[in-house]
Amino acid sequence: GAVVSQHPSWVICKSGTSVKIECRSLDFQATTMFWYRQFPKQSLMLMATSNEGSKATYEQGVEKDKFLINHASLTLSTLTVTSAHPEDSSFYICSARPTAGGHDTQYFGPGTRLTVL
Amino acid sequence: AQSVTQLDSQVPVFEEAPVELRCNYSSSVSVYLFWYVQYPNQGLQLLLKYLSGSTLVKGINGFEAEFNKSQTSFHLRKPSVHISDTAEYFCAVGDGGATNKLIFGTGTLLAVQP
Repeated sequence: GAVVSQHPSWVICKSGTSVKIECRSLDFQATTMFWYRQFPKQSLMLMATSNEGSKATYEQGVEKDKFLINHASLTLSTLTVTSAHPEDSSFYICSARPTAGGHDTQYFGPGTRLTVL
Repeated sequence: AQSVTQLDSQVPVFEEAPVELRCNYSSSVSVYLFWYVQYPNQGLQLLLKYLSGSTLVKGINGFEAEFNKSQTSFHLRKPSVHISDTAEYFCAVGDGGATNKLIFGTGTLLAVQP
């Protein structure tokens, strides 16, 4: 089956530092990837849509300069949380849409838990 | 704008009993509807989806859901649950457009007790 990995699975960082999270589609190519944020006991909130080779599209209220997204290849998208603060602590989840397949399909990664001290 | 409502944050049920997890949506356009399951420390896994056609959709692990356009609902059902079904269940709506962004409900924790 289609597998999406995320690295790291969890990270703790100091306030003011930047953290990069990787999302990889392991056995398929993904032109489009999505980044979500999930707070405890809450739903997934779409942050941005990432398309290979172009700029990401951010949802309203998401700071593009704080959450930098790069989708440099058909199997890798990265999310960098710049100058992280405690309020950025959350569970970040990516999903990938196979290039060859219906646009209703997304495969989700296991998530990355970010804790900012 | 689209939205999804899952009224039940938690549903306790005994093993082998039937269960229904409720999901209502609002949308001014045709939608795609999905149910995902999230086991502890794992990513979301697709249970089933409705795109078009038959309103009764069968998914994995014995789950099914019925699309009801007049009631704008997409409730998830299973006739007999197992302990292993304990997980968080998310209903989602997609706009069906080129991007088909997903809007998720707040989730329902299905807690199966022996």
